[in-house]
Amino acid sequence: DAGVIQSPRHEVTEMGQEVTLRCKPISGHDYLFWYRQTMMRGLELLIYFNNNVPIDDSGMPEDRFSAKMPNASFSTLKIQPSEPRDSAVYFCASSWGLSNQPQHFGDGTRLSIL
Amino acid sequence: GIQVEQSPPDLILQEGANSTLRCNFSDSVNNLQWFHQNPWGQLINLFYIPSGTKQNGRLSATTVATERYSLLYISSSQTTDSGVYFCAVLKTSYDKVIFGPGTSLSVIP
Repeated sequence: DAGVIQSPRHEVTEMGQEVTLRCKPISGHDYLFWYRQTMMRGLELLIYFNNNVPIDDSGMPEDRFSAKMPNASFSTLKIQPSEPRDSAVYFCASSWGLSNQPQHFGDGTRLSIL
Repeated sequence: GIQVEQSPPDLILQEGANSTLRCNFSDSVNNLQWFHQNPWGQLINLFYIPSGTKQNGRLSATTVATERYSLLYISSSQTTDSGVYFCAVLKTSYDKVIFGPGTSLSVIP
């Protein structure tokens, strides 16, 4: 089975530009999570969805960040406008169930904002 | 929220040595996972272990939920074991996975 697929793997762009990160969860999983990893803050949850509905977005840092899940097989995380402090590795994960099943992570998108 | 601590923060091992990594958490949890982040940044799922003991090859893990800790054992370490090991916990009432700060492991030949 294919794992969680993220694209792009790397993104380098100038500040002020819009950035869109994409994620395809494992088929059949009903939970999807977006995480950010930085040296200063480690791995932190940004937002998660259940059956395509956002459940908790309290980790989204600012209004510049938005996430959508238009269907069970696709999600996007958008940053507009981007800033240098948004540079990080962004991970998407999915699971079948929330508390009694493991989360499976994609390979991440390494984002650099110049 | 739940606090997650990992020890040691850094570890250097000679190839072939054994090690034990520890994860302490401040409240009861419903879910605990161990991950290995390899030098390429990939997060590899090692164990889903909210309680009990599991083994997978040279790796094993034990979670004592009542005492709020989990241990990851690495035996006969190899250079490919290098990377950062994270534990992550979830408590249903909080509905968020909280990652520990990680243990950075370097295995030298």
